[in-house]
Amino acid sequence: AQKVTQAQTEISVVEKEDVTLDCVYETRDTTYYLFWYKQPPSGELVFLIRRNSFDEQNEISGRYSWNFQKSTSSFNFTITASQVVDSAVYFCALSEEHRGSTLGRLYFGRGTQLTVWP
Amino acid sequence: NAGVTQTPKFRVLKTGQSMTLLCAQDMNHEYMYWYRQDPGMGLRLIHYSVGEGTTAKGEVPDGYNVSRLKKQNFLLGLESAAPSQTSVYFCASSYSGLAGGVAKNIQYFGAGTRLSVL
Repeated sequence: AQKVTQAQTEISVVEKEDVTLDCVYETRDTTYYLFWYKQPPSGELVFLIRRNSFDEQNEISGRYSWNFQKSTSSFNFTITASQVVDSAVYFCALSEEHRGSTLGRLYFGRGTQLTVWP
Repeated sequence: NAGVTQTPKFRVLKTGQSMTLLCAQDMNHEYMYWYRQDPGMGLRLIHYSVGEGTTAKGEVPDGYNVSRLKKQNFLLGLESAAPSQTSVYFCASSYSGLAGGVAKNIQYFGAGTRLSVL
């Protein structure tokens, strides 16, 4: 079974619209980490955020915000007032921790292609 | 800051040929990883290493070998390339789960190697 599900394969919005990218995860560990990465058309993977399982506070960074809800195993990402430069593939990922060490393995969702039209 | 450097950036192989992809990181990270990215599949872990001289299999290890002779380098080898290995390959590195502090588990990625096997 997939540990990270990004049900939205593609999303298209017009500039200045708000958009939310969904991420649902599955784990039996009590300690885990969730991540979002951005992959622009140039192809590199850019780290956006890491959240651990004990910190359910929502986070805001400029136009980006993240909503972590353990009750629904979701870690959704919202872009406010989207811009053309936000066009990219966005990946949600999970890292589990065993006995104090994660071994660092990331389980990626399949990604959501966001296209922002001018 | 170089970060994670992958060479080459592009390569075309014929079926049966061999090649080695090189990954180098200058962040003194203990952990290193090789992923492949295929359309609609997200990133899948091929092999990883938790330290110099140690390697382990990920989700899709068949047809690949790796070596970590030096802490800063992680090599991915294809002994006999097959068309199914046509993909974009990403290398990443991170601090270990025990020693990473605030950077714990954050994986930093190289720019990728686009490989085509004909």
